[in-house]
Amino acid sequence: GENVEQHPSTLSVQEGDSAVIKCTYSDSASNYFPWYKQELGKRPQLIIDIRSNVGEKKDQRIAVTLNKTAKHFSLHITETQPEDSAVYFCAASRGNDYKLSFGAGTTVTVRA
Amino acid sequence: NAGVTQTPKFRVLKTGQSMTLLCAQDMNHEYMYWYRQDPGMGLRLIHYSVGEGTTAKGEVPDGYNVSRLKKQNFLLGLESAAPSQTSVYFCASSYSIGVEAGPSTDTQYFGPGTRLTVL
Repeated sequence: GENVEQHPSTLSVQEGDSAVIKCTYSDSASNYFPWYKQELGKRPQLIIDIRSNVGEKKDQRIAVTLNKTAKHFSLHITETQPEDSAVYFCAASRGNDYKLSFGAGTTVTVRA
Repeated sequence: NAGVTQTPKFRVLKTGQSMTLLCAQDMNHEYMYWYRQDPGMGLRLIHYSVGEGTTAKGEVPDGYNVSRLKKQNFLLGLESAAPSQTSVYFCASSYSIGVEAGPSTDTQYFGPGTRLTVL
């Protein structure tokens, strides 16, 4: 099955700096790559996703890049703010098997 | 719309007791999922369903059973709870969209979670 590895497991950044989280996947047939944000005690919520026919997608301060050849994708958060502090999960899916495989998560702390 | 709801929010069981977690969604989604979340291990899929009356095993199905008798509900059962099943359980639902490369699962919407402690 699909194996998704996520790095780093923890990330501390100064407010206003950028944060980058990287994920690799094993199944070359995977075609859907979402990112979820989970605040303490809350449910995971989708913040951005990308499909395999696109190399980059941006939504305000967050962006995701995908390298299909190397089988890795990354989340970029610019101009970090205290409310960006949360656990971020990447995931991958082949689509036609209906399932998402999640990375282990990255705890991001934004220092004021 | 309430989205995805879960009951109960918290529960404490003794080893060997049984219980059922209920997940309900009002978005008419075809697909529903049960995950468990443990520290440092992300979200692991227990069981899932691609439609009413169908279920399938996920990554960590042992010790759990599920049923999807109605499209809007997905039940997770623990027949004989064990301390190793202490976790936070999340239900999720999604729908399929047709894309050029074939059907592709879209966004999974999560419920608020159930915190289960087994003593």
